[in-house]
Amino acid sequence: EPEVTQTPSHQVTQMGQEVILRCVPISNHLYFYWYRQILGQKVEFLVSFYNNEISEKSEIFDDQFSVERPDGSNFTLKIRSTKLEDSAMYFCASSDFSRTANYGYTFGSGTRLTVV
Amino acid sequence: GQQVMQIPQYQHVQEGEDFTTYCNSSTTLSNIQWYKQRPGGHPVFLIQLVKSGEVKKQKRLTFQFGEAKKNSSLHITATQTTDVGTYFCAGKNNQGGKLIFGQGTELSVKP
Repeated sequence: EPEVTQTPSHQVTQMGQEVILRCVPISNHLYFYWYRQILGQKVEFLVSFYNNEISEKSEIFDDQFSVERPDGSNFTLKIRSTKLEDSAMYFCASSDFSRTANYGYTFGSGTRLTVV
Repeated sequence: GQQVMQIPQYQHVQEGEDFTTYCNSSTTLSNIQWYKQRPGGHPVFLIQLVKSGEVKKQKRLTFQFGEAKKNSSLHITATQTTDVGTYFCAGKNNQGGKLIFGQGTELSVKP
């Protein structure tokens, strides 16, 4: 079964540092997403990406965040200057809205970001 | 903005008992999806409901979408220890819109 791959699985960074979280979506999917989940809480939408541009973003996704699809396979989330409250599990997801698809999102295993 | 609320937050059952989680949206949804997240895992897609009043079954799991397309439920018959995890509903206002998750219901099953 196709998977969404995320690296690294765990990232520890100092407050104020930049981090880049990496994702390889399923190859024939066209829609990509980043969500985050603070421990024990709900899964929060950050941003959706289609056709090489952001299609929607949440109020959490401020100027400190950016996304990029630098090549045909990777999808990255960059946090420019990390804050303690950015500590969370970050999930990448992809989906395919073709007629035969089930419309569900396929999530990666996540990157646990710890800001110290 | 759109809100998706889910109750209860926790449910502890004895193996063999039934379990239900309820989901309500502040706005009419174009569709609703259900996900399961095992402890330490990631959300895994279970099903999508699109039509008003739709009912779908997956073995012991029954999913319903309300007539007004603002609420949904997931019912598990005769729970097993493998059902342990957090069940999330997630709704969209329109087909291309963002998927908003409810708070989830954490199910624990005592053998």
